[in-house]
Amino acid sequence: AQSVTQLDSQVPVFEEAPVELRCNYSSSVSVYLFWYVQYPNQGLQLLLKYLSGSTLVKGINGFEAEFNKSQTSFHLRKPSVHISDTAEYFCAVSETGGFKTIFGAGTRLFVKA
Amino acid sequence: NAGVTQTPKFRVLKTGQSMTLLCAQDMNHEYMYWYRQDPGMGLRLIHYSVGEGTTAKGEVPDGYNVSRLKKQNFLLGLESAAPSQTSVYFCASSSNQGTGGGQPQHFGDGTRLSIL
Repeated sequence: AQSVTQLDSQVPVFEEAPVELRCNYSSSVSVYLFWYVQYPNQGLQLLLKYLSGSTLVKGINGFEAEFNKSQTSFHLRKPSVHISDTAEYFCAVSETGGFKTIFGAGTRLFVKA
Repeated sequence: NAGVTQTPKFRVLKTGQSMTLLCAQDMNHEYMYWYRQDPGMGLRLIHYSVGEGTTAKGEVPDGYNVSRLKKQNFLLGLESAAPSQTSVYFCASSSNQGTGGGQPQHFGDGTRLSIL
């Protein structure tokens, strides 16, 4: 079985500052990793995913994440945030070859002017 | 493109009432899912389907039933609503294309359900 832990429930940050949202996972098998974003009153949208290959994955809206197998982490980063990045971010994991996904509890990113 | 469409968007029920949440996808996806989202708990899987005519229980299935009579539709039913079922419900779908999985899920905008 897999599990996902998002280490921060809320992250306040000033506009144009860098941000890192932390995610650790646990699994006894190989996994795929995802980050989704949820804007108010909307469903989740895929930001980026790691399936294999390069451990640095680039996504939409200037976000990127790095897969670290030894630390079982998949942290999300952006070098300079905008007000429009205010949203909730979910880290998720699925077993390779599977289709069910386990979601973390979410991190609420609040970008201040 | 509509993607995943959920109806209704909002609903208020009294304890003991029943209702059905509708989900439709136009991407020809095999897999469909129902989740509930509660503060601080992320998304929890209620039921899922791997194809037309098939359904299976997820993490929190009690009090809910589902049906997938057509590939594009996945219905979630509450037979006797309870206040503990107050939540935001999301439907999602994903493709079974490619080997080894890894297909992302596509979500609807949710149904906000309050049980009084």
